[in-house]
Amino acid sequence: NAGVTQTPKFQVLKTGQSMTLQCAQDMNHEYMSWYRQDPGMGLRLIHYSVGAGITDQGEVPNGYNVSRSTTEDFPLRLLSAAPSQTSVYFCASSYNQGDSPLHFGNGTRLTVT
Amino acid sequence: GNSVTQMEGPVTLSEEAFLTINCTYTATGYPSLFWYVQYPGEGLQLLLKATKADDKGSNKGFEATYRKETTSFHLEKGSVQVSDSAVYFCALSRGYQKVTFGTGTKLQVIP
Repeated sequence: NAGVTQTPKFQVLKTGQSMTLQCAQDMNHEYMSWYRQDPGMGLRLIHYSVGAGITDQGEVPNGYNVSRSTTEDFPLRLLSAAPSQTSVYFCASSYNQGDSPLHFGNGTRLTVT
Repeated sequence: GNSVTQMEGPVTLSEEAFLTINCTYTATGYPSLFWYVQYPGEGLQLLLKATKADDKGSNKGFEATYRKETTSFHLEKGSVQVSDSAVYFCALSRGYQKVTFGTGTKLQVIP
């Protein structure tokens, strides 16, 4: 069972560079989301999707774009990286947005210099 | 809006000690409540959940009871092991609203 797969595991970017964090799930989950985890701040929602073709903003969407062309994939794009985007990023999916638990990937540790 | 408050860590316990991690929440209506655990270098994984008042979630010796009167969902374990060392997150979800997480509590169990 692959579950939620994130790539890459680690990434170093220079300020101003762009990149895409990949996320794929094989559980046929409708709901997918991206979080960032920073020390002392828990997890903050960046963007989420309730199905293919539908995305919406979370708490901290600035500087990030998402799209959902298939049920399986939900990539996160950093448009112009900034040091404030240094963080650990987690993709998560669930059957729905209600009381179904979230399934998390193992994260991408991003450093922006 | 919804919020989750959990006790600050880190919490350091000796093996076989009793564990309590406090979690209180603010939400309208009747949210579902969760505890997630994060081991070093990994993503979060569901530990247990409860979906209505007075429900008790349990898994791997951990328990938490949904207390609506005190808006709490405290995590307990009778005898912790070194392998329980991790970060624990309390979270709530209500209908189609976004999941709200607490800031996490780091637990270190020493032999």
